[in-house]
Amino acid sequence: NAGVTQTPKFQVLKTGQSMTLQCAQDMNHEYMSWYRQDPGMGLRLIHYSVGAGITDQGEVPNGYNVSRSTTEDFPLRLLSAAPSQTSVYFCASSYSFSPPMGEQFFGPGTRLTVL
Amino acid sequence: GESVGLHLPTLSVQEGDNSIINCAYSNSASDYFIWYKQESGKGPQFIIDIRSNMDKRQGQRVTVLLNKTVKHLSLQIAATQPGDSAVYFCAEKYTGNQFYFGTGTSLTVIP
Repeated sequence: NAGVTQTPKFQVLKTGQSMTLQCAQDMNHEYMSWYRQDPGMGLRLIHYSVGAGITDQGEVPNGYNVSRSTTEDFPLRLLSAAPSQTSVYFCASSYSFSPPMGEQFFGPGTRLTVL
Repeated sequence: GESVGLHLPTLSVQEGDNSIINCAYSNSASDYFIWYKQESGKGPQFIIDIRSNMDKRQGQRVTVLLNKTVKHLSLQIAATQPGDSAVYFCAEKYTGNQFYFGTGTSLTVIP
């Protein structure tokens, strides 16, 4: 199993540009999430999904869109990039959000810089 | 929303010693807690979890203690090894499907 994969690993955007961060998992997990990690602030939830066709907002959803057309894929779209979106983005998947299967498996991350 | 905090941002221990990483949480309604380890340049990796109806849970070389009276969580690592050097996060869940992560503690193991 490849686990959770993310592409690209690095990306530089100009303010106002749009792009999609890709995330895929091969563990047949229903639950998937997107987090951003900024220095000194831990991980913050952007959006999450509890199954194909179902998404919901997390703690910091503004400026981001998601969709979940398949169990495997959960892309994150930046509509109009801003310097405040410079961060490291992690995708995660899990069987559940509750015990005993609540552990999340994280991808390697995408480091995004917005100029 | 409320956030999880950590008492110490950095911790240095000698190889072979035991490590204790602390975490304070502020929401008494939190019912599930997870510790993650993050090595440089990688995504977080699950270490151990605990439900709020438990006080202690043990894994391989790790123990998590939960004190609901003072809203405190700790991760104990026995016989710390150089490979344990990383940033450790605690995460709590108290509403819906959202986990709230602390800011992390950086553990450095001195050979």
